[in-house]
Amino acid sequence: DAGVTQSPTHLIKTRGQQVTLRCSPKSGHDTVSWYQQALGQGPQFIFQYYEEEERQRGNFPDRFSGHQFPNYSSELNVNALLLGDSALYLCASSFRVRGGKNIQYFGAGTRLSVL
Amino acid sequence: AQKVTQAQTEISVVEKEDVTLDCVYETRDTTYYLFWYKQPPSGELVFLIRRNSFDEQNEISGRYSWNFQKSTSSFNFTITASQVVDSAVYFCALSRGSGNTGKLIFGQGTTLQVKP
Repeated sequence: DAGVTQSPTHLIKTRGQQVTLRCSPKSGHDTVSWYQQALGQGPQFIFQYYEEEERQRGNFPDRFSGHQFPNYSSELNVNALLLGDSALYLCASSFRVRGGKNIQYFGAGTRLSVL
Repeated sequence: AQKVTQAQTEISVVEKEDVTLDCVYETRDTTYYLFWYKQPPSGELVFLIRRNSFDEQNEISGRYSWNFQKSTSSFNFTITASQVVDSAVYFCALSRGSGNTGKLIFGQGTTLQVKP
């Protein structure tokens, strides 16, 4: 049973470029959440997708957008990259349960470096 | 507003020592959930435990134990007889209860180094 898989593992971009990160959820999961983890910090919630719609969003600008596909996989897009976007981007999947008690299982992340 | 504070940035112990990682949280919700995750150098966050706000029973799982005290808004994690494989960054996290789709609010993390 495959866990949460993310691609690519590493990515190097320059300022102003656009990037797309991909996530496949754990088998049986229908909800995908994205987090940004800066070096030495805890993960920060970006947004969550369920039924192909954005359900909740953290304090991130519109440059951060996402998509969920019918097979529950998801993409995170970041436009007009800034140096400060350099971070580990983590995808988490879960089975939707209202009330915040669902356990989120994380992938190994995509390390994005913006030069 | 919700907030999680892990005051210990780094802890270093020698193998077989016991170690406690502190977590203090802030929330106005009456229903909420607390989590601990482990992040080894590979980067993947590994789920360790979930506790809801109505269950203050301590939990023990092998060498791991958790102490949840609502009176002090703390959810501390103890590793007994630590091992080198326990070396990692540990995160405490909080999610709201009702009206929430599961957004996790993480603390800054505590880096645990267990020396042989």
